[in-house]
Amino acid sequence: AQSVTQPDIHITVSEGASLELRCNYSYGATPYLFWYVQSPGQGLQLLLKYFSGDTLVQGIKGFEAEFKRSQSSFNLRKPSVHWSDAAEYFCAVVNQAGTALIFGKGTTLSVSS
Amino acid sequence: KAGVTQTPRYLIKTRGQQVTLSCSPISGHRSVSWYQQTPGQGLQFLFEYFSETQRNKGNFPGRFSGRQFSNSRSEMNVSTLELGDSALYLCASSLSDLGSETQYFGPGTRLLVL
Repeated sequence: AQSVTQPDIHITVSEGASLELRCNYSYGATPYLFWYVQSPGQGLQLLLKYFSGDTLVQGIKGFEAEFKRSQSSFNLRKPSVHWSDAAEYFCAVVNQAGTALIFGKGTTLSVSS
Repeated sequence: KAGVTQTPRYLIKTRGQQVTLSCSPISGHRSVSWYQQTPGQGLQFLFEYFSETQRNKGNFPGRFSGRQFSNSRSEMNVSTLELGDSALYLCASSLSDLGSETQYFGPGTRLLVL
């Protein structure tokens, strides 16, 4: 069965430091992958997506992610974190039917000053 | 273009009652999906509708149902509410299949069952 694993439940990063959030997926074929961000009490906002092509994907707010098929990973990165980046981040993969997203459990990012 | 809207935003019900949540997709989007978000289980897929037909259903009891109207608006209904149904219910819309499209999420309806 398809699954998404986000190994880190909570990460704290100093403002201005770099960030990497890990995501591993389980899927037989070429996956369609997403990163979403959720601020407290809000819905999900799309940061970036990977469907095919270039394995380094650029998103909004200065985020990028790299698809590595050999490692079944789609890690999210940002070179310099801002206090406003504090939120919960979800990695997701499209199911085989192409009709639903399967989400990881999420990683909560805290930013310290 | 307006985003996905959900009403109501907050709801308090008691056990045994039923509830109906509404979702209006982005104009032109024909696929609407529903997800339940809880601290323990995370984000779980409920069901997906496309052109008024349910195409996919998650692993939830029959108390959870939904429908989609000809204008793509969707409603989900939960009957005989249980305490464990307390959650944030998120609606998402996309043009068609996720294989080639992106789902855009609404702000959610927060349901509290007492």
